[in-house]
Amino acid sequence: DVKVTQSSRYLVKRTGEKVFLECVQDMDHENMFWYRQDPGLGLRLIYFSYDVKMKEKGDIPEGYSVSREKKERFSLILESASTNQTSMYLCASSETKSGGYTFGSGTRLTVV
Amino acid sequence: DAKTTQPPSMDCAEGRAANLPCNHSTISGNEYVYWYRQIHSQGPQYIIHGLKNNETNEMASLIITEDRKSSTLILPHATLRDTAVYYCIVRVPYTGGFKTIFGAGTRLFVKA
Repeated sequence: DVKVTQSSRYLVKRTGEKVFLECVQDMDHENMFWYRQDPGLGLRLIYFSYDVKMKEKGDIPEGYSVSREKKERFSLILESASTNQTSMYLCASSETKSGGYTFGSGTRLTVV
Repeated sequence: DAKTTQPPSMDCAEGRAANLPCNHSTISGNEYVYWYRQIHSQGPQYIIHGLKNNETNEMASLIITEDRKSSTLILPHATLRDTAVYYCIVRVPYTGGFKTIFGAGTRLFVKA
């Protein structure tokens, strides 16, 4: 089975800190995605990548950046964390652009 | 915006079939219908997808109407562990590929 691993399950950071959320998948998938999930707003796409070194903005990229130096790893970066970035962050990967997604367990980030 | 509509919640008795409906009246001829579910505090889990024909796997069956304007996900013998939010998704074209938009889904309660 494909495994998507997010480095932290729970994270607490201070306002203004630079935050790295790491995501690793072990099945050589080309495509990787970052979503955030908030009550009443559902899952919203932040960034995605169809290949190494490639990145595309999703619907809510402001305040975030990403890095994909290796195929298996897709990192989400909060340049200067703010309280409105407190959320559940979900990473996903897929083998093809039309295939189903495999999600990680999520990282619940609290910014204080 | 999501291209699907689902009832906000449904109940099902344990051991009975759970039939979850989804309307996707604007679906295009080559777009697949995907189903995911999300159990509390976990990442969404891919269940099944289909284009025209009915599909079945170890988790569920997917029935798509002939005009493709609606579909039904069937869990043949629901258990308490099937209590989750179920998302019906038709992906929309996006930069270089497709975007998966998660709507509010259907919250299924399986009761003993």
